[in-house]
Amino acid sequence: AQRVTQPEKLLSVFKGAPVELKCNYSYSGSPELFWYVQYSRQRLQLLLRHISRESIKGFTADLNKGETSFHLKKPFAQEEDSAMYYCALLNYGQNFVFGPGTRLSVLP
Amino acid sequence: GAGVSQSPRYKVAKRGQDVALRCDPISGHVSLFWYQQALGQGPEFLTYFQNEAQLDKSGLPSDRFFAERPEGSVSTLKIQRTQQEDSAVYLCASSFRLDRGDSAKNIQYFGAGTRLSVL
Repeated sequence: AQRVTQPEKLLSVFKGAPVELKCNYSYSGSPELFWYVQYSRQRLQLLLRHISRESIKGFTADLNKGETSFHLKKPFAQEEDSAMYYCALLNYGQNFVFGPGTRLSVLP
Repeated sequence: GAGVSQSPRYKVAKRGQDVALRCDPISGHVSLFWYQQALGQGPEFLTYFQNEAQLDKSGLPSDRFFAERPEGSVSTLKIQRTQQEDSAVYLCASSFRLDRGDSAKNIQYFGAGTRLSVL
């Protein structure tokens, strides 16, 4: 069965420190993976997707098929990065599987 | 507005009451998804529509849950005889369409959700 795990419920870092939010998945085919973010009192929104290999707000994520991981990284965290982050996998059975989320808290 | 609209934003129901939650997707979006998000959890898939066709309802937790999208636009999620464990935020999302060949079409746009509290 498809599954997405995010081992950390809460991650606290100081402003300017590097941050890595972990995501592992289980899927029998070629996955399409996304990171979604929810800022305080805002709706869930796309941050980035693995296929586009883009950097959004300084965040990047690389799909590692060998380790079945899609960790989200940023070299220098900012206070405005504080939010809930969800890793999601698109199952071509046509539904999305979301991880439980990691709350990132960037301290001043 | 141009985003996904959900109503009501908040709903309080007595146990045993029926509720109906509405979702207005982005105009032109073919795919529509419903999720249930319990406190402290990620969104859990409930059901998926492509136009008016319900292609996947494997996530609906019981036969008390029913979703429809009769004209391929607005969708309603109905919960009959609500129970306390139904208390959650119900999220709706739409996308252009699910497309294995074009990732941009798979981006989901979420509504603000309906927070359902069953007393």
